[in-house]
Amino acid sequence: DAGVTQSPTHLIKTRGQQVTLRCSPKSGHDTVSWYQQALGQGPQFIFQYYEEEERQRGNFPDRFSGHQFPNYSSELNVNALLLGDSALYLCASLAGGRTDTQYFGPGTRLTVL
Amino acid sequence: QQPVQSPQAVILREGEDAVINCSSSKALYSVHWYRQKHGEAPVFLMILLKGGEQKGHDKISASFNEKKQQSSLYLTASQLSYSGTYFCGTEEDNFNKFYFGSGTKLNVKP
Repeated sequence: DAGVTQSPTHLIKTRGQQVTLRCSPKSGHDTVSWYQQALGQGPQFIFQYYEEEERQRGNFPDRFSGHQFPNYSSELNVNALLLGDSALYLCASLAGGRTDTQYFGPGTRLTVL
Repeated sequence: QQPVQSPQAVILREGEDAVINCSSSKALYSVHWYRQKHGEAPVFLMILLKGGEQKGHDKISASFNEKKQQSSLYLTASQLSYSGTYFCGTEEDNFNKFYFGSGTKLNVKP
C-alpha cells in the first residue's frame, strides 16, 4: 500500500519564477492538505482540497493556488516566488470529513534564490 | 489560530518522563499530536476528539481538557527513539482549518 508521495524532492528557483509541486495521496484517501514549514517552525496550513474543490484556506496570499484531480492527486502552484517562500512543503492526505489521521508525504524542499 | 506549546525544549536522560502542553484560545474539535525527526515528515501519534478524553499507546499518552481547550502529551520512561520535535495540531469547530503549534524539541540522552 503506497503512502503519500510528493515530487520533486528538492527544487531551486529564482525570485519571480513560478513552481508546481505534486502530491499523490495514500490509497483510499480523497482529501489533500498542503502545509508550508519554514526552518525551525511548525507546519502552516495553506489549503485543503476535497472533491476537486478548495474546502478551506489558511492565511496565504493568492499567489498560492492549487488543484485536485479526479484521481485525488493534487498540485500546489506558487507564482511570483519570494525569498520567503523557501521552505519545506508538505502534503498530507486523509479520508474526507473532519480532519482525521493525516498521513504526511516526505515533502518538497523549495529554495528560492 | 495557532495553538501555544510549552516548553519549547526539553532535555531528558533515558528513562525520565516529560510532559508537553498545548493550549488554544478557540473552541476545538480535535487535538492531534505528531513527532517529527530532523529532515523527515511529521508522523502521527494520536488524535483526541471534542468531548474530552485520554488516549495512549505504549509509554506515550495524551489528554484533552475540552473546558480549558488544553491538551497534554505524556512521555513515560523515555527512550532514545523519542528524540525529535513534537507538534500539537488543532482543528477548530469551524471545520477543517488545521493549525500546528510551534513545536517542542525533545532530546533524550543516554
